[in-house]
Amino acid sequence: QKEVEQNSGPLSVPEGAIASLNCTYSDRGSQSFFWYRQYSGKSPELIMSIYSNGDKEDGRFTAQLNKASQYVSLLIRDSQPSDSATYLCAVRESGGYNKLIFGAGTRLAVHP
Amino acid sequence: DAGVIQSPRHEVTEMGQEVTLRCKPISGHDYLFWYRQTMMRGLELLIYFNNNVPIDDSGMPEDRFSAKMPNASFSTLKIQPSEPRDSAVYFCASRLGATGSRTQYFGPGTRLTVL
Repeated sequence: QKEVEQNSGPLSVPEGAIASLNCTYSDRGSQSFFWYRQYSGKSPELIMSIYSNGDKEDGRFTAQLNKASQYVSLLIRDSQPSDSATYLCAVRESGGYNKLIFGAGTRLAVHP
Repeated sequence: DAGVIQSPRHEVTEMGQEVTLRCKPISGHDYLFWYRQTMMRGLELLIYFNNNVPIDDSGMPEDRFSAKMPNASFSTLKIQPSEPRDSAVYFCASRLGATGSRTQYFGPGTRLTVL
């Protein structure tokens, strides 16, 4: 059973701080990793994808990947109350190319 | 683009009734996915289609669930008979295949309540 693990939270950070969200996965052959944001009552929205070891930055968001440790993280700099949402880590299943395995999500709360 | 369209947005039904959920993928997308989301189990893939053909239905919970994609612009997920444990949010997602970014775009979801 391929799994993606996330701390459910809530992760509470003050406005302006860095929020750090973490994810581990069991499928050692996975090559593609994604972070989705889901506001309450809404559908998941892709915010970052990463395929290579290291960091990938997009605005206030940085995704980090360490395949040897099977670990993916998302950093949100200068956190805003509008970042308050659930963040889902997703891993593309190896060998299939099409199936995403989602973690249960981490709820982030940014307080003013 | 209108995005992925799902209907109905909310459905309340009684145990034993048939439920049909509908999805229109983004035009030109050749993959379509059906997911179910609950607090207990998170977001689970039920089935996905490529070019209207079901490729993997291993996530379909049991024979009460069936899905069809009669053409490139329409898919249905049917539950017959429905049970209270089927209560969840059902999402449809689509994406462009090998030549595209492979990003999955989700529809707004159908919130199903089975009484």
